[in-house]
Amino acid sequence: AQKITQTQPGMFVQEKEAVTLDCTYDTSDQSYGLFWYKQPSSGEMIFLIYQGSYDEQNATEGRYSLNFQKARKSANLVISASQLGDSAMYFCAMREVMDTGRRALTFGSGTRLQVQP
Amino acid sequence: DAGITQSPRYKITETGRQVTLMCHQTWSHSYMFWYRQDLGHGLRLIYYSAAADITDKGEVPDGYVVSRSKTENFPLTLESATRSQTSVYFCASSEARTGAFTEAFFGQGTRLTVV
Repeated sequence: AQKITQTQPGMFVQEKEAVTLDCTYDTSDQSYGLFWYKQPSSGEMIFLIYQGSYDEQNATEGRYSLNFQKARKSANLVISASQLGDSAMYFCAMREVMDTGRRALTFGSGTRLQVQP
Repeated sequence: DAGITQSPRYKITETGRQVTLMCHQTWSHSYMFWYRQDLGHGLRLIYYSAAADITDKGEVPDGYVVSRSKTENFPLTLESATRSQTSVYFCASSEARTGAFTEAFFGQGTRLTVV
């Protein structure tokens, strides 16, 4: 079973508009962490934002915010005021404690966002 | 240079050959990870390591071997390369912080082609 599901292979958004990238996850743990990464066409992986499962407030980092709905097991990324430089692949990821007590980090399949002028 | 570096950046090898991808980090992070990235699959975890001499299998470990004799190095070996192992490989590292889930920092990636 997929641990992280990103159902939108591709998204378009107009410059200056907001966009939401969907992410749902599957875990039976109570304690885990959720992350979003950006991968521009140059290929590097850039960490954007983190949400802990016990955090009561939704995480925000500049124009990025994470809409965390624990009961629905969703952790959607919201990008406000999109810019052309936001065009990239976006990956949702989860860090959880495995049976060994050690912490794996697994990723979804990604969403390609294209910002149009 | 500080950070996490992978070598080589590009590699072409023949089917059946053994090939080793190197990963080195200067932060003394406890955790290190290897992923492969293929179109439509995102990043899939191959192996990870919580400390020197501790390694665990990820989602797609078959055909790969790892070792971690030193904290800073985490080489990935393809014992007998197959065409299906053509991919972009990413190494990553992260701190281990009690009670917290820390972000991972990634290397630049290695593009491996098996012919």
